Amino acid sequence: AQTVTQSQPEMSVQEAETVTLSCTYDTSESDYYLFWYKQPPSRQMILVIRQEAYKQQNATENRFSVNFQKAAKSFSLKISDSQLGDAAMYFCAYRSAKTGNQFYFGTGTSLTVIP
Amino acid sequence: DAMVIQNPRYQVTQFGKPVTLSCSQTLNHNVMYWYQQKSSQAPKLLFHYYDKDFNNEADTPDNFQSRRPNTSFCFLDIRSPGLGDAAMYLCATSRFGGTQETQYFGPGTRLLVL
Repeated sequence: AQTVTQSQPEMSVQEAETVTLSCTYDTSESDYYLFWYKQPPSRQMILVIRQEAYKQQNATENRFSVNFQKAAKSFSLKISDSQLGDAAMYFCAYRSAKTGNQFYFGTGTSLTVIP
Repeated sequence: DAMVIQNPRYQVTQFGKPVTLSCSQTLNHNVMYWYQQKSSQAPKLLFHYYDKDFNNEADTPDNFQSRRPNTSFCFLDIRSPGLGDAAMYLCATSRFGGTQETQYFGPGTRLLVL
């Protein structure tokens, strides 16, 4: 089974600064999707950004961008101009393009934003 | 707003006493999923429904069952909860279950087993 590793259980960032959350994964597949989900305290998990493995260009969504290094099996999330509302648990997830339904999640990184 | 709703948000049950967790969605999505998330662990898929077709993950204990009476509702039944079943249970949906699709999550139900 695929494994997803988030080596930073907790991170903190000063408001308006930039922070990078790390994620690595292990797979023998060449075609897959990677996701970052955000789970604010007591609120539901929502999609932040998604990357298709066949795309070389890194995905961006406003202040959120990824650094996708396929050979290194690395998928980090960069949050620019951090805001208080960015405080949440962030989960990295892997999904096969073939077998589909199973999301493999990392254990999460808890991000604190310091005013 | 269209969304995924889980009730209750917190559930307390006794060891061995059957419990049912509820999920509903207003997205009209075909696929509904149940995940178990234990403290400091990643969410783990238990099973999913593609329309009325039930798909169980190989390592999901028999103690866990599910029902989907219609498109909007899906239930998670734990027949005889053990202390190890205390966790956050997340419901999610996706439109067609395609591999590239986003899953939309509910807020979760936190289950406590006494």
